[in-house]
Amino acid sequence: KQEVTQIPAALSVPEGENLVLNCSFTDSAIYNLQWFRQDPGKGLTSLLLIQSSQREQTSGRLNASLDKSSGRSTLYIAASQPGDSATYLCAPAGQNSGGSNYKLTFGKGTLLTVNP
Amino acid sequence: DVKVTQSSRYLVKRTGEKVFLECVQDMDHENMFWYRQDPGLGLRLIYFSYDVKMKEKGDIPEGYSVSREKKERFSLILESASTNQTSMYLCASRMGQGARYGYTFGSGTRLTVV
Repeated sequence: KQEVTQIPAALSVPEGENLVLNCSFTDSAIYNLQWFRQDPGKGLTSLLLIQSSQREQTSGRLNASLDKSSGRSTLYIAASQPGDSATYLCAPAGQNSGGSNYKLTFGKGTLLTVNP
Repeated sequence: DVKVTQSSRYLVKRTGEKVFLECVQDMDHENMFWYRQDPGLGLRLIYFSYDVKMKEKGDIPEGYSVSREKKERFSLILESASTNQTSMYLCASRMGQGARYGYTFGSGTRLTVV
C-alpha cells in the first residue's frame, strides 16, 4: 500500500524567500506524480505533473523534481509571495489493486504561510 | 482549461435523507472520481468511473453509490445520509489512463448532515 509523507507539515517564511517542500512515497512503481495547491475551503488546483520518465518540471516560479527510485519529490518555490500561502499536496499515481487504473495517493500536505 | 463543476458549494441535509452530489466536466474526459476530505485523514477515494456506465469502488465506498449515465456527468449518491458523512466532497476528472494525464479537481461541496 502506497504511503505518502510530506515534510514539513507547516512552514512559515518571510516574503521573497526561496523554499523547498518535500514529499516521500513508499512504492516507487508510480506512473506520475502531481503537486496540487489547496486554498482554505476550496478544491485542488494542479500545479505540476511529472511523468515517471521525467526528472523535473517547471512552471513559472515553481520547479518540481522526482527521484522515483528513492521515492522522493520536491517542490521548489522561488521568490515566495503572500499569495503563495496555501496547503500544498503531493500525489503519486500508481496502479490500483484491480490493475485497471492509476490511483492517486495523497500526502497530508504542507501548510505554507508567506508573511509580507 | 478543463473545468470540473460541482453543483453545490454548501449543502445541509438531515440524517436519513437521500443526497445527490453532482459533478460535470466539459472536456470529454474518460475518467471521473469522487473523493472525500477530512481533517487528519486527508483525501480518500470513494468511487471512480473510467467510462460511461462503468464504476469501481475506491477505498471507502460503504454508504455511497454512483451513477454515470453520460460521459460528462458523475453523480455521488448517499443512500441514507448519516452524520459521519459530514465532509468536504471533491470530484475530479482525467483524460485517460496514460502517465501524461493528470487530475483536474472541482471546487468541492461541503456537506453537513444534521
